[in-house]
Amino acid sequence: QVQLVQSGAEVKKPGASVKVSCKASGYTFSDYYMHWVRQAPGRGLEWMGRINSYTGATNYAQKFQGRVTMTRETPISTAYMEVSRLRFDDTAVFYCARGGSSSWFPLDYWGQGTLVTVSS
Amino acid sequence: QSVLTQPPSVSGAPGQRVTISCTGSSSNIGAGYDVDWYQQLPGTAPKLLIYGNDNRPSGVPDRFSGSESGTSASLAITGLQAEDEADYYCQSYDSSLSAGVFGGGTKLTVL
Repeated sequence: QVQLVQSGAEVKKPGASVKVSCKASGYTFSDYYMHWVRQAPGRGLEWMGRINSYTGATNYAQKFQGRVTMTRETPISTAYMEVSRLRFDDTAVFYCARGGSSSWFPLDYWGQGTLVTVSS
Repeated sequence: QSVLTQPPSVSGAPGQRVTISCTGSSSNIGAGYDVDWYQQLPGTAPKLLIYGNDNRPSGVPDRFSGSESGTSASLAITGLQAEDEADYYCQSYDSSLSAGVFGGGTKLTVL
């Protein structure tokens, strides 16, 4: 069965960086895009971007361009999402989600989420 | 301000039917891009509920259905149950943004 298991909660200071991992199992990792979605406390879902797990090519939402980097390590079926120059309003749960093999969507499997708290 | 507009909340009694609207524009739903719907139960990750406008993944009850027309889409839930109380999100692709977009989410309360 398809599973996406994310790394644990993080507490970071403003200006620092955080890197969240997402380990996939139950399918051929390189055959599907991996997306990342942010959810601030009490707020809705926000699409951040996606990575082609085969080529490493990325697409980012304009809001996150320049501050977010998505990468992957295909041999260990793991995707990563790094946010730099963290701000207080980056406090959120970050989800990885599997996208299509050739289409953008839907997001059919989701990780459990990783809470990132930005606090001084 | 979300690119896709949903009502903040809807409610219904057990057994009733409710609908949740998702209004977009000519660069997303109106351009023919598919709409997907997700259900997020309290404290959990979102779950795919409807894909490609009107398709249910295996395991999703047929009480849930989706439709699309013009620049809008709708999620209908019939035979409302207490366990349906959750947040619901629509999603599509927007060609002017070259990005995925979500609706702001709708909180369903079962009275």
